[in-house]
Amino acid sequence: AQRVTQPEKLLSVFKGAPVELKCNYSYSGSPELFWYVQYSRQRLQLLLRHISRESIKGFTADLNKGETSFHLKKPFAQEEDSAMYYCAPPNAGKSTFGDGTTLTVKP
Amino acid sequence: GAVVSQHPSWVICKSGTSVKIECRSLDFQATTMFWYRQFPKQSLMLMATSNEGSKATYEQGVEKDKFLINHASLTLSTLTVTSAHPEDSSFYICSARDWGDYPPNEQFFGPGTRLTVL
Repeated sequence: AQRVTQPEKLLSVFKGAPVELKCNYSYSGSPELFWYVQYSRQRLQLLLRHISRESIKGFTADLNKGETSFHLKKPFAQEEDSAMYYCAPPNAGKSTFGDGTTLTVKP
Repeated sequence: GAVVSQHPSWVICKSGTSVKIECRSLDFQATTMFWYRQFPKQSLMLMATSNEGSKATYEQGVEKDKFLINHASLTLSTLTVTSAHPEDSSFYICSARDWGDYPPNEQFFGPGTRLTVL
C-alpha cells in the first residue's frame, strides 16, 4: 500500500526564517506526490504536485528517491503560511494522507 | 479548478436520528470520492472510499452500518450517519477525484459539514 509519513505534527518558525516540512514515502513504483494545505476556516486545497515541479507561494518540493522523501521547503516563511500541511500520494491506499503538520509562523 | 460542494454545511440533530450529507462534484465526473472526519486541530481521518456503482471500502474501525455511503452517480455521493450520537459530532469532509489514474489526479475537497448531535 502507498504510505506517506509526516514525522512532525507541529512546526513553529519565525517570520523570515526558512521552513521545511518533512514527508517520507514508502511504496513501490514511481512515486507521484502532492502537498495540500488547509488554512484556518478554509477547505483543503492543492499546494503543489511533484509531477509539475512548480513553485507555489514560494514553496517547492523535490522528490529524493534515495531518501524516499518529498519535503516541502520555503526559504523565507511568512505569517500567512501558518496552516496545516498534508503530504499525499495520488491514489487512495490504506492511508491517503499523511497525518499533517501544523505550521505556525510567528511574527 | 474543479469544484466540490457539500450540503448541508452544518447540521444539528437529536441523538438517535439519522443525518444525510451530500457531496457533489459540480463540473467533473468523479469515479472516486472520499469521506473524511476531522476533529478540531487534528488531521484528516479517512473513513471510506466510495466508488461509483459499487460498495464503499471502509477503513478499519469505521462501522459501515453506522456510516452508510452511497455513490449512485458520477457526481454525487452521500454519507448517512445513522442513529447519531453525541460522539459522532465532528467535521465531515468529502473529496472527489477525476476519473483516470494517470496523470495522477489531485483530490478536490468540499468545504465540510459540521455535525452536532445533541
